[in-house]
Amino acid sequence: RKEVEQDPGPFNVPEGATVAFNCTYSNSASQSFFWYRQDCRKEPKLLMSVYSSGNEDGRFTAQLNRASQYISLLIRDSKLSDSATYLCAVSRSQGNLIFGKGTKLSVKP
Amino acid sequence: DTAVSQTPKYLVTQMGNDKSIKCEQNLGHDTMYWYKQDSKKFLKIMFSYNNKELIINETVPNRFSPKSPDKAHLNLHINSLELGDSAVYFCASSPIPVSEQFFGPGTRLTVL
Repeated sequence: RKEVEQDPGPFNVPEGATVAFNCTYSNSASQSFFWYRQDCRKEPKLLMSVYSSGNEDGRFTAQLNRASQYISLLIRDSKLSDSATYLCAVSRSQGNLIFGKGTKLSVKP
Repeated sequence: DTAVSQTPKYLVTQMGNDKSIKCEQNLGHDTMYWYKQDSKKFLKIMFSYNNKELIINETVPNRFSPKSPDKAHLNLHINSLELGDSAVYFCASSPIPVSEQFFGPGTRLTVL
């Protein structure tokens, strides 16, 4: 099993749709989890941290399921500007983050 | 007031040359990283420094040598460039090793 796995997509959704991404991880000892957004030819930007209790930031909700070892990102009321690649990141015991390969989202008018 | 900056933004060079990429962060973070993102978009850790000390070296050829003169700077020197080195190189920093990371704008390296 890979350390971190994401569905590469692309996810093509209409504006206003709700879309969810999952990211599975293999190391049960991982403690820190994040979602990043990367636009074409740009650097990854931190979207949100993922806390055990789940957290919400406007239209974005992140959740952690330790038992099944996955994190999720839910985007409600999708906007054209949400089109990007979404990367999950999980901490490793070596003391760094490992990134998933990303899920591409395309929001259409 | 750029948080993490890299120079140059673009680098086009011939095989066999030696080149350097510079990175600076003004966030006061203790940990800095170099990542390589290849054409398949996979973001792969290369090195990590904490308080100027190397803590991670992820099976990177020894043609790649990082140098951290102080906590705010982490430079990457590459010797004898090969075609396969063509990629985007991102510098990043974080307060501590497993916390959220902030990325520089990237250096797009093309080896001809």
